[in-house]
Amino acid sequence: ELKVEQNPLFLSMQEGKNYTIYCNYSTTSDRLYWYRQDPGKSLESLFVLLSNGAVKQEGRLMASLDTKARLSTLHITAAVHDLSATYFCAFCMNRDDKIIFGKGTRLHILP
Amino acid sequence: DGGITQSPKYLFRKEGQNVTLSCEQNLNHDAMYWYRQDPGQGLRLIYYSQIVNDFQKGDIAEGYSVSREKKESFPLTVTSAQKNPTAFYLCASSIGVKRETQYFGPGTRLLVL
Repeated sequence: ELKVEQNPLFLSMQEGKNYTIYCNYSTTSDRLYWYRQDPGKSLESLFVLLSNGAVKQEGRLMASLDTKARLSTLHITAAVHDLSATYFCAFCMNRDDKIIFGKGTRLHILP
Repeated sequence: DGGITQSPKYLFRKEGQNVTLSCEQNLNHDAMYWYRQDPGQGLRLIYYSQIVNDFQKGDIAEGYSVSREKKESFPLTVTSAQKNPTAFYLCASSIGVKRETQYFGPGTRLLVL
């Protein structure tokens, strides 16, 4: 079965803390996406990871990809309230270019 | 400004009625997509199109129809055959083949009266 599992699905954390969101996917892929969605809003592209070992950083967010483990992580450093949102990972299937989305991790950062 | 627009923002459907959601992009992207998002869930692909006058079914195409007569437009019709249409509908586009990053419109929330 084709699936993407995000862990945790809900996360409440204090400002200033670090945390990691995990994204496991079920089949071969060399392209992994991270998106952010604010409540009632659309999705905003954060990162595209294209190869094994890829790491990208933007501000307090850092994403990485391990294609052998079929795992991507989104690390939050010194969280601030503005990062509160739902974060989705999605992977692109190599065999037919189909993109599969996870259920999202709802992140709530307490001031 | 380049981007993707969707209209309306909110849409109400009566039982047995077909309704059409609009999606327009001025990014000169070849590929366009329609997704459905239910509360607390990820996105599920309804239809996608890689070129004008061609489109393919996604995972949940039943009860929906699309057309792609112009490169910049990809309207979605929710037919009366879709028995549970209440959801948030998102349109997206990408430069070319599906492996490219997708850019999303603001969404249409469909509610059933």
